[in-house]
Amino acid sequence: QQQVKQSPQSLIVQKGGIPIINCAYENTAFDYFPWYQQFPGKGPALLIAIRPDVSEKKEGRFTISFNKSAKQFSLHIMDSQPGDSATYFCAASRRSNDYKLSFGAGTTVTVRA
Amino acid sequence: DGGITQSPKYLFRKEGQNVTLSCEQNLNHDAMYWYRQDPGQGLRLIYYSQIVNDFQKGDIAEGYSVSREKKESFPLTVTSAQKNPTAFYLCARSIILGTGELFFGEGSRLTVL
Repeated sequence: QQQVKQSPQSLIVQKGGIPIINCAYENTAFDYFPWYQQFPGKGPALLIAIRPDVSEKKEGRFTISFNKSAKQFSLHIMDSQPGDSATYFCAASRRSNDYKLSFGAGTTVTVRA
Repeated sequence: DGGITQSPKYLFRKEGQNVTLSCEQNLNHDAMYWYRQDPGQGLRLIYYSQIVNDFQKGDIAEGYSVSREKKESFPLTVTSAQKNPTAFYLCARSIILGTGELFFGEGSRLTVL
């Protein structure tokens, strides 16, 4: 049973578009929400992370929006580029569980030139 | 490679054979992890270790075994008891168990013939 539900499974956008990936969770004890980016044949790499005391965090063209009451968070990729084409995973963890990460199923993003 | 070296990158085995995947880190970090990645299922935790000679089962430990005899090494054995071993296996490290920030290796793809 997946503790973090991620959607969509895949999406395609044109260069400059804004792909949006959504994640939802049930366990209110989660207190750390990272996003990982994975290119084909490689391991995932941490992209950006947020804690529930803030509603938004930006790093470059990547933005996390966090809605604590709805138990949802999302990743926006502004001005997307073909080099952003990758699989993105959201995750969640909590201090009481040694911060072991529970991952979403992943979203494959394709940015067309 | 995130300070983690995994080998081999590709591995084929026959049914009924055990196989060991290597994971070495050179940054003197305490915590190490093994994840399994299957299409559409995200990453699932197999085992993790906080210190030498100690390790804990993750969500899908059945059919796998690990050892942590040295801080820099955390090999994973996929035993013949694992019913569906074909997958992409990822090793990761973190600076301190509990930060949630993982640094992954490039993975080992195991195919059972």
